[in-house]
Parts: sequence; structure tokens; C-alpha cells
Amino acid sequence: GAVVSQHPSWVICKSGTSVKIECRSLDFQATTMFWYRQFPKQSLMLMATSNEGSKATYEQGVEKDKFLINHASLTLSTLTVTSAHPEDSSFYICSANAGGHRGNEQFFGPGTRLTVL
Amino acid sequence: AQTVTQSQPEMSVQEAETVTLSCTYDTSESDYYLFWYKQPPSRQMILVIRQEAYKQQNATENRFSVNFQKAAKSFSLKISDSQLGDAAMYFCASYGNKLVFGAGTILRVKS
Repeated sequence: GAVVSQHPSWVICKSGTSVKIECRSLDFQATTMFWYRQFPKQSLMLMATSNEGSKATYEQGVEKDKFLINHASLTLSTLTVTSAHPEDSSFYICSANAGGHRGNEQFFGPGTRLTVL
Repeated sequence: AQTVTQSQPEMSVQEAETVTLSCTYDTSESDYYLFWYKQPPSRQMILVIRQEAYKQQNATENRFSVNFQKAAKSFSLKISDSQLGDAAMYFCASYGNKLVFGAGTILRVKS
């Protein structure tokens, strides 16, 4: 159990376009989802925390108008990279909090590789 | 604020041998959790082991065990009987009010 999926797994887009990445908890309800960014050979950096039905909380230095997060249901959160530029190329990973006795454990999606040309 | 430090960018171990990955952390939270995650080349994050800070007993999961020294804020991972499939990037992480990762340690396993 506790499977998280992401779609797409990789995407290539032109500079100036917007890209939407979906994160789904497949077999549990996730009141909280998290979005991370990872550059090659580096660690995961938390971008924002997404709570169902409310606005996302962004980490310092993350542009909320550029990285739009929507958590419309207990099983789906989306990250939209607006007006993408080559420097936005990265690996984006989502995770979901299962709650309950494992409330602090996060289950990670497989990641989405974004390449902006 | 939370910080996690992994001072070993890379480690190597011979197959079937034991290796220890180091991690130190700092947190102002009184209730927190510590984790070791494995990230293989597929980049899927896999939970290796977790430790509740209020528990004195070191966590163990098969060949993986931790040495949790709360006063020293140290949380090292020991991998016994290393296997080729253990080769990956390993991240230490702490959770107080959010999950904070260390820089990672690349583990290479030699056959």
C-alpha cells in the first residue's frame, strides 16, 4: 500500500510554455502533499506543502506565481510550472503524507523530469 | 530551524562487507523523527529505516541498522552484508515540522 504516482514521468517543453505535473495517492487519502525539486547529484529541496482545500505553503525563495500548486482532492495535487525557462529544468518529486500512526512518513512519487528548451 | 549534515559525499564497500554512513542533525523541535532514504538510479525514493527520537532503542530493518546518539545529534546508518543492489544515493532526513534532507552519500558496492 501507500503508492504515489506522478504523471508525466518526463516532459520536454518550449521556453515560455506552461507544464502541469500531477501527483496522485493511489490507495490512500493524503491530506498533505509535498513538492520537491532535485538537481543532478544534489539533494531534494522542499518547494511547497500542499494541503487539500487550502492554499499551498511555499518555502522561502520559491516563486508561488511561477510554481502553481493545486490540491483539489484528497488524492490529487498538481504543480504547474508557468512560463517555463531552461533554468526550470529539473527533476520534480512529490510525496504524500499517509496520516494516522505513520503520519510523519512521506511516500514518494517516482518523479518527473522536466526539460525546457 | 532544522539542518542535516552528511559529511561523506561518497563511500565504497566490498560486497558482503559492512559500511557505515554518517549523519548529524540539528533541530529545535522536541518531538522529531529521523529517516534514511535510498535513491537508486531510477530516482525513486525508498524508505530504508526510521527512528522516533523519543525511542532510545536503535531501529533495525534486516541488514540495516542505525546508531542513534540523541545527545550528540548523530544518526548513522550501518549496512551489513552489503549487496550490489545497495548501491545508490543515501539521504539522511529529519522531520520536525517538515522533512529536511542531507546532501546525500553515494554508496558504491564493489564485487
